[in-house]
Order: sequence, then C-alpha cells, then structure tokens
Amino acid sequence: QVQLQQSGPGLVKPSQTLSLTCAISGDSVSSNSAAWNWIRQSPSRGLEWLGRTYYRSKWYNNYAVSVKSRVTINPDTSKNQFSLQLNSVTPEDTAVYYCARSSTGDLMDWGQGTLVTVSS
Amino acid sequence: QSVVTQPPSASGTPGQRVTISCSGSSSNIGRNTVNWFQQLPGTAPKILIYSNNQRPSGVPDRFSGSKSGTSASLAISGLQSEDEADYYCAAWDGSLNGWVFGGGTKLTVL
Repeated sequence: QVQLQQSGPGLVKPSQTLSLTCAISGDSVSSNSAAWNWIRQSPSRGLEWLGRTYYRSKWYNNYAVSVKSRVTINPDTSKNQFSLQLNSVTPEDTAVYYCARSSTGDLMDWGQGTLVTVSS
Repeated sequence: QSVVTQPPSASGTPGQRVTISCSGSSSNIGRNTVNWFQQLPGTAPKILIYSNNQRPSGVPDRFSGSKSGTSASLAISGLQSEDEADYYCAAWDGSLNGWVFGGGTKLTVL
C-alpha cells in the first residue's frame, strides 16, 4: 500500500517561491516503474497536471507548458521523497496541490492535498 | 477549456443506472488508458477505474468503465446516496507529454 504525505506552507506571498514536499512510503522514489507527479486543483482551472519526475537508469522530468518556465520537481533519494518548487507565484497559483504516483500508465495514489494561498 | 470533455452534471434516483461520458482525442484517450476518479467534498481524488475498466480492490462492482476509440464512459449501477460526488476522467496525452483531465461531472442522487 503506497502512501503519500504532503508538507509545506499554506500561505505564500506574491512573487515568492511555493515549495512543497511529498514523502513516500510503500514504494521508492527511485522505482523503475513509477513516476512522481504534482497536480493542482482550482475552481477556475480544474485539475491541472504540473509535472513529474521519474527514474529509468537516470532521472527524467516532464513539465506542463503552462508552468514550464517556473517549475522544478526534484527527487530526494536520501529521504524517499520528492518536491515541487514554483517560482514567481501570483494569486492565480492559489489552488489545492496534490502529489500523486503513476504506474503502468495509471494515476494510482494521491497525497492528501495542500491548500496554498498566494496573498500578501 | 479542458482537452478532455465531460458533461458538467448528471443525476439519478437511488437504484438507477447512470453513465458519465468522457471525450478526448487520438493523442490521449485514443492512445492511452483512461482513469476515473471520485472526489468527495474536501478530499483528494480517489481512483475508481484504471486501465480503462479495472477496479482497484475495495471499489464496488457497481462501478464499471469502458473505452471505445477516443471516448470513454463510467457507469454506476444501483445508484446510492453515497455516490453523490464529483467524477473526473484522465489520460496521458502523448502530444502534450502530460496528464490531461476532464472538467469533472457533478453527480446528484435525487
């Protein structure tokens, strides 16, 4: 049973960096068959995939075009977790952020969600 | 405007059968498997159907999924009050190189 536990601040000031972490239990961030995703949800944009990191003999990343210039997703093998950094945030980035594990083409497991509000 | 299209709402009475449609394109549903998620208020989406028509353990067999070409459907039979939730479809899009989601369908049990 894979569990994903999210942590990070719920309030970020405009122009600053949003940082969240997702701790993994029941699988390894270095798994050769899983990918580790960040997804957000807001009333205006619905569910929006932000990007992923995965290991297939080396590390790979894919990012959504909408955030590609501002987003970084990194694995942390020493802590078996992965992180999201979103730079230069605006109020439009206010959303519930989820981490999720995908395997064999399916988004199987989700974190509990973190409401991040961008406000001064 | 979502890349994948769902009806915004659906409804049914207890015991009835309801279907929710999901329409995509050759780069997503037409090429990759479809996931269906159930989201109750204030909670994370929970996977209901994976690989087009597979149920994870613990999901009642009242829920079933199907796919044909660039469209997919979720069927719920023997509708119950606790099925009242938002339902989302999703698939990997090979052209966008990312996951795409439907806009969600709010199911009301009358």
